[in-house]
Amino acid sequence: GEDVEQSLFLSVREGDSSVINCTYTDSSSTYLYWYKQEPGAGLQLLTYIFSNMDMKQDQRLTVLLNKKDKHLSLRIADTQTGDSAIYFCAESVGYNKLIFGAGTRLAVHP
Amino acid sequence: EPEVTQTPSHQVTQMGQEVILRCVPISNHLYFYWYRQILGQKVEFLVSFYNNEISEKSEIFDDQFSVERPDGSNFTLKIRSTKLEDSAMYFCASNPLAGGYNTQYFGPGTRLTVL
Repeated sequence: GEDVEQSLFLSVREGDSSVINCTYTDSSSTYLYWYKQEPGAGLQLLTYIFSNMDMKQDQRLTVLLNKKDKHLSLRIADTQTGDSAIYFCAESVGYNKLIFGAGTRLAVHP
Repeated sequence: EPEVTQTPSHQVTQMGQEVILRCVPISNHLYFYWYRQILGQKVEFLVSFYNNEISEKSEIFDDQFSVERPDGSNFTLKIRSTKLEDSAMYFCASNPLAGGYNTQYFGPGTRLTVL
């Protein structure tokens, strides 16, 4: 069945790079997404990658996709305290639904 | 920048009562969704809605749940007889389906507390 797995917690020092990893199971997924959720807030679409791409860069964010291993990663360069949040990986199943991972809580410390 | 809006932000209800959660999707979007997130758990898909009908629903979306697009702007989720386990954050999302892109934009959520 469809499933998305993420590590639950990541702690980094301010200014370092953060790498959040995700694995998914549905090889027919056409899009893969990263959403950010700050405390008490909704889900903010950070970036997405089409399944025929290997990499996408958007300012401080770099998404890498290894389709063979069904592995997705999000790299945040020069991590700031404002990046502290929960990051959700999600895969699309057609246009009907997203399957979310459990979320990775990113803690940024001085 | 257009946003998905949801009301109320917090709803408290007694078990067995009916609740209606309201959403205003982004104008010109074509696909609409409801998801829920029980505290500390994954975001779960409930239902998708396209062309004025349900496109897909999950096992969670049983006969107690219904969705409606009563006019050109609102999209509602009704729970007929709430249970304690319906307590969760409910997110509405919309998708433009434009330019071949498949992107869902989420609202801020409604926190439902069933007592």
